[in-house]
Amino acid sequence: QSALTQPASVSGSPGQSITISCTGTSSDVGDYNYVSWYQQHSGKAPKLIIYDVNGRPSGVSTRFSGSKSGDTASLTISGLQGEDEADYYCISYTSSRTWVFGGGTKLTVL
Amino acid sequence: QVQLVESGGGVVQPGRSLRLSCAASGFTLSTYGMHWVRQAPGKGLEWVAHVGYNGDNLHYADSVKGRFTISRDTSKNTVHLQMNSLRADDTAVYYCARDFTGHWTIDYWGRGTLVTV
Repeated sequence: QSALTQPASVSGSPGQSITISCTGTSSDVGDYNYVSWYQQHSGKAPKLIIYDVNGRPSGVSTRFSGSKSGDTASLTISGLQGEDEADYYCISYTSSRTWVFGGGTKLTVL
Repeated sequence: QVQLVESGGGVVQPGRSLRLSCAASGFTLSTYGMHWVRQAPGKGLEWVAHVGYNGDNLHYADSVKGRFTISRDTSKNTVHLQMNSLRADDTAVYYCARDFTGHWTIDYWGRGTLVTV
């Protein structure tokens, strides 16, 4: 149950787009379209922003989008805003009937 | 609306036990699977355990298997995490979270309870 691999940090200026990758294996990300993404502001509980690779819960901005290719899923945030500054985590269901998170990515809006 | 409120955290010595509880409201526990997820201070999220909607399917992270037990009491709409043989690296905020039915992920989270070993 090794954690999915995410970059430790990414940054971008307001209005720009950024992409965060999430790399797993053929036993998790590569085997299921059950990849989700969470946004976590400091001291707060995580918030679901993407599910099933590219699904968006009601109320989540259309600036957030997801995709997947092989063993790697990606989260793209377009039109960066200051409020997007947070930690982002991916999670995947696995063939062991468990779940595994990525290590998390800190997004800094410059 | 959906609310999850954790309790039972605190300071405990290594090797001892602790039982966390999660009071659910706004939905019926018997129709949802539930998770426990933890986050060590300054670290990332770690999935810990899951109980299926029927209460029968239990799954655990390797790091806690054999030491932690997830259970639920549908009459009280409460989920528990029994933690035995606690270690220093179990120190974390423990979140109770609800299954997003049909999507094999989590939709709602509690605010967490801190366990310090």
